[in-house]
Amino acid sequence: DTGVSQDPRHKITKRGQNVTFRCDPISEHNRLYWYRQTLGQGPEFLTYFQNEAQLEKSRLLSDRFSAERPKGSFSTLEIQRTEQGDSAMYLCASSLGSLRGTSGRADTQYFGPGTRLTVL
Amino acid sequence: QQQVKQSPQSLIVQKGGISIINCAYENTAFDYFPWYQQFPGKGPALLIAIRPDVSEKKEGRFTISFNKSAKQFSLHIMDSQPGDSATYFCAAPRAGAGSYQLTFGKGTKLSVIP
Repeated sequence: DTGVSQDPRHKITKRGQNVTFRCDPISEHNRLYWYRQTLGQGPEFLTYFQNEAQLEKSRLLSDRFSAERPKGSFSTLEIQRTEQGDSAMYLCASSLGSLRGTSGRADTQYFGPGTRLTVL
Repeated sequence: QQQVKQSPQSLIVQKGGISIINCAYENTAFDYFPWYQQFPGKGPALLIAIRPDVSEKKEGRFTISFNKSAKQFSLHIMDSQPGDSATYFCAAPRAGAGSYQLTFGKGTKLSVIP
């Protein structure tokens, strides 16, 4: 399978615990995005990496959230001291983008299956 | 904050009918408008996308129409089938300083009845 993969697919945790999710993008893709989706809503942007650099973070991403992409390949999203309001589907997407400043075209994002987080 | 307004919220269509979903956007630096299809418990899957060099794009039973002056675009599903029953999201890119994040509509739940 050459698509975006995410692990785990489901996570149930107790309030106050830390959780970490992993995303493996499509192998040649240099851009990686994290989104959050709550029931009945569209995905909402959380953060974006180009290679290993985290270039943008949404105001939705509180200081309890941290994301890394250490070698420009897989990425992890950690939530510390989880709250019930963190319950959502966490989606990862990847795309193959040109270098910054050399293209004005948005590239196609491919999503993974998501990690469903339930905080009790 | 860019917004994408999608309508209707839900849609029931008979098998063989035409499903039409509309989206309106405010501003976007890049004219690229994808539609995603999502089944329960799954991630969104790219269905079809349009770029500004055309006003309409057709792939099989799926067509996007784009009206730049009105800042609107729509998805038409011809000969709708029960297997098309899913939630559909339109999206538009918000270009920031190196980010091409997508802003999504709230989704349209399509039910195709036999």
